[in-house]
Parts: sequence; C-alpha cells; structure tokens
Amino acid sequence: QSALTQPASVSGSPGQSITISCTGTSSDVGNYNLVSWYQQHPGKAPKLMIYEVIKRPSGVSSRFSGSKSGTTASLTISGLQADDEADYFCCSYAAYNTLIFGGGTKLTVL
Amino acid sequence: EVQLVESGGGLVKPGGSVRLSCAASGITFSDLWMNWVRQAPGKGLEWVGRIKSETDGGTTDYAAPVKGRFTISRDDSKNTLYLQLNSLKTEDTALYYCSTDIPMTGGTNFAYWGQGTLVTVSS
Repeated sequence: QSALTQPASVSGSPGQSITISCTGTSSDVGNYNLVSWYQQHPGKAPKLMIYEVIKRPSGVSSRFSGSKSGTTASLTISGLQADDEADYFCCSYAAYNTLIFGGGTKLTVL
Repeated sequence: EVQLVESGGGLVKPGGSVRLSCAASGITFSDLWMNWVRQAPGKGLEWVGRIKSETDGGTTDYAAPVKGRFTISRDDSKNTLYLQLNSLKTEDTALYYCSTDIPMTGGTNFAYWGQGTLVTVSS
C-alpha cells in the first residue's frame, strides 16, 4: 500500500494562511473520516494536531483546522507564526485494520 | 501526565533480532490500544503495527513490510508494550516510537508518544 501523497514543501509569510493537501484513495482517505495530522519539529516526537478529519485535541490552537473532500484531506494553518515551521504528516485509517501515513510536508515560514 | 518510555534499541546485524519495550505511566495501560510507529533517519513516519486492549480481544495488526517478522505483545501487569523484531533488514533502521490514541477513539490517531528508541541494522 503506497503512502498518502503530500506536497514536499509549502511556505508562507507570518500572518498568512497555508493549506497542506493529503491525497489518498477510495480505500483509505475516501472511505473513512479517520484522517489525522501531525506536527514534528526537528529532533522531537510528532504532535497530534487534528484527528477524525476536523477535530482538535485539547490544547491545540484554533488556527489549525482540517477538512476533507473525496480522497483528499487538507490541513489549514491560519495566522502563520514562526513556530509553525515544522514537518507535517497526515495519516488515515485504511483497509484491513491498517494505518497509512503521508510522505510529509516541510512548512517554511518566510 | 501520560508518559511513554521506549528502550531496547541498538546496533543489530542483518538477520538478527531485538526486542523493544515501552513503559507506560500516568494512564490506565490495560484500557489502551497501543501502536508502534517508526521513522527512518531523515524520512517520514511509518505505522508498524498495533495491539488492542485485552478487553477488546488483544488482537494485533501489522503493516505489510513487517508482517511475519515483527510481533507486538503487551504485559498489562507491568504496564509495558513490546515489539519483537526478527529477520532484520537494513531498511528496518529507524527510530521506533510507541504511541497511543485519545481514549475511546478507536485507535485511529496517535495522541501520546514516547521519545523513541533507535534501531540500527548494519553489518
């Protein structure tokens, strides 16, 4: 099973909004509302930012939001801040009780 | 506060074996569905496998690249998760994290993470 497809990199200026896409298939993203998003700073463990497509865990800023259309999920970060610069990974529940990650997107805050 | 602490990593020869452990505290371990996720140096995240709580059957699921070589188990009396890695390949070199989800969300997210333990497969 191939990894979900994410852009290798995105960038934005402080205060702007950016969106990271995560494209799968009808066997994963398209068939389940079970997409999650993770932020990872260098040398640190990943941090859960969004789960079940749109839900934010306690403590995660409302600047982070998720959505899904068909086989593509998206993470939007509004009001970009310097500390948002990190790698972002999507993940989806898939067939046969497995989970699959995207390849990751490096966000640069200009 | 939930804490997950992995241990057991190191340098292993191709074809060799190693057992990783993940000690949990600050949470009712026996209720948890536990996962292993790995990250090769400079690469992305890869789900390795999962074990359900004993209450939910204690069954395991694995990613295709490790199925038949890796085994996940748990000892609820010790609040500890294990990952037995056999027939290791150089491509198994990675930082191995244990992780669990937000309670009662069906094991489909990774809310709590350890710091990881590094397994290096090399001759």
